[in-house]
Amino acid sequence: ETGVTQTPRHLVMGMTNKKSLKCEQHLGHNAMYWYKQSAKKPLELMFVYNFKEQTENNSVPSRFSPECPNSSHLFLHLHTLQPEDSALYLCASSQPRPGSWGYTFGSGTRLTVV
Amino acid sequence: DAKTTQPPSMDCAEGRAANLPCNHSTISGNEYVYWYRQIHSQGPQYIIHGLKNNETNEMASLIITEDRKSSTLILPHATLRDTAVYYCIAVYNQGGKLIFGQGTELSVKP
Repeated sequence: ETGVTQTPRHLVMGMTNKKSLKCEQHLGHNAMYWYKQSAKKPLELMFVYNFKEQTENNSVPSRFSPECPNSSHLFLHLHTLQPEDSALYLCASSQPRPGSWGYTFGSGTRLTVV
Repeated sequence: DAKTTQPPSMDCAEGRAANLPCNHSTISGNEYVYWYRQIHSQGPQYIIHGLKNNETNEMASLIITEDRKSSTLILPHATLRDTAVYYCIAVYNQGGKLIFGQGTELSVKP
């Protein structure tokens, strides 16, 4: 257990479904991140939140909608996804100065879109 | 953030030291060198980081060249559980983000 908890661990959804991924940390971190890892590819940074405010969106399609209600929780709302969105979705947290403390990652949600 | 270059794959015999190189020739003075590893289908795990001095912790040692253009991660006694993809990342202390490359796939063999 890393201190960053992601649920669910596995998710299968149809292209017309709406689902949400949840990430929770109680490490006292104020920055949170969503990454996507497709098969045989490096992790891609999707969104960055600092003190609950979104500070980065790396050209992510609008069918992915993040939400950060407080510094401990991060959601990724999914709707009308495509099969190519199937991937491992990873959440991470850090202090806003990651060079000093590094990132702590969750175990990820394995998403399959059918 | 400076780009890093790592060999795509390496093998190591169990019980031997694994030396994983990383080239970061364009690193700037206030960029740290971070190492993470990712065991199959899990989240990346922090290993070690450094700025210019060599560092050691319970997992590994990090050797940074004097000109800071390259570094080596050393796993002193590799075990089968060290089989993973290892990522070397240069990141600024303030406002930097972890941007992952392809990493080095280390296979520890019996």
